[in-house]
Amino acid sequence: SQTIHQWPATLVQPVGSPLSLECTVEGTSNPNLYWYRQAAGRGLQLLFYSVGIGQISSEVPQNLSASRPQDRQFILSSKKLLLSDSGFYLCAWGTGFSGNTIYFGEGSWLTVV
Amino acid sequence: AQTVTQSQPEMSVQEAETVTLSCTYDTSESDYYLFWYKQPPSRQMILVIRQEAYKQQNATENRFSVNFQKAAKSFSLKISDSQLGDAAMYFCAPNPNQKLVFGQGTRLTINP
Repeated sequence: SQTIHQWPATLVQPVGSPLSLECTVEGTSNPNLYWYRQAAGRGLQLLFYSVGIGQISSEVPQNLSASRPQDRQFILSSKKLLLSDSGFYLCAWGTGFSGNTIYFGEGSWLTVV
Repeated sequence: AQTVTQSQPEMSVQEAETVTLSCTYDTSESDYYLFWYKQPPSRQMILVIRQEAYKQQNATENRFSVNFQKAAKSFSLKISDSQLGDAAMYFCAPNPNQKLVFGQGTRLTINP
């Protein structure tokens, strides 16, 4: 069966420090991968979308970047965090077919102080 | 741009009663599916039910069912026989171009 893991679960970082959140998917190949952010009490906003290794689409202008160095690995990064980067980050995967469900990881809480 | 509107920020229902959560959306795409996700306090996103936009028949999953009106771009969720474990945030999300677009959510409280 397919599983998705992301880490770390919780992170407190000072303003201006770098960020790296990692996500891996097991049990499937060539998945679509997604990074979403959820601000407090709000819905999820799509940040990045990837259909393959090295193929990243950015959905909103921001201070963050994403990379996909391997088929089932998706990394969210920042060189210098801003206070506004605080939030709950969710990695997700799907098979790439419109009818298939997108499955989410456990999420990572980021607090920038 | 794709938009999703969930007009009920909060809803409450008595245990064992029925509640309906509303959702409207806007998309120019013709090929898409629609999903309802549940987010309990653990923050895990859990699929509740999905609907194929090209099917007129409404999807049903145990106590959960949808009322899908494609022309009106409406996709409501009905929860029958509400249980305490149903308490959560509920998000409506169509997926044009295989990218889920989320509404702001409805917080559902179950009163014992």
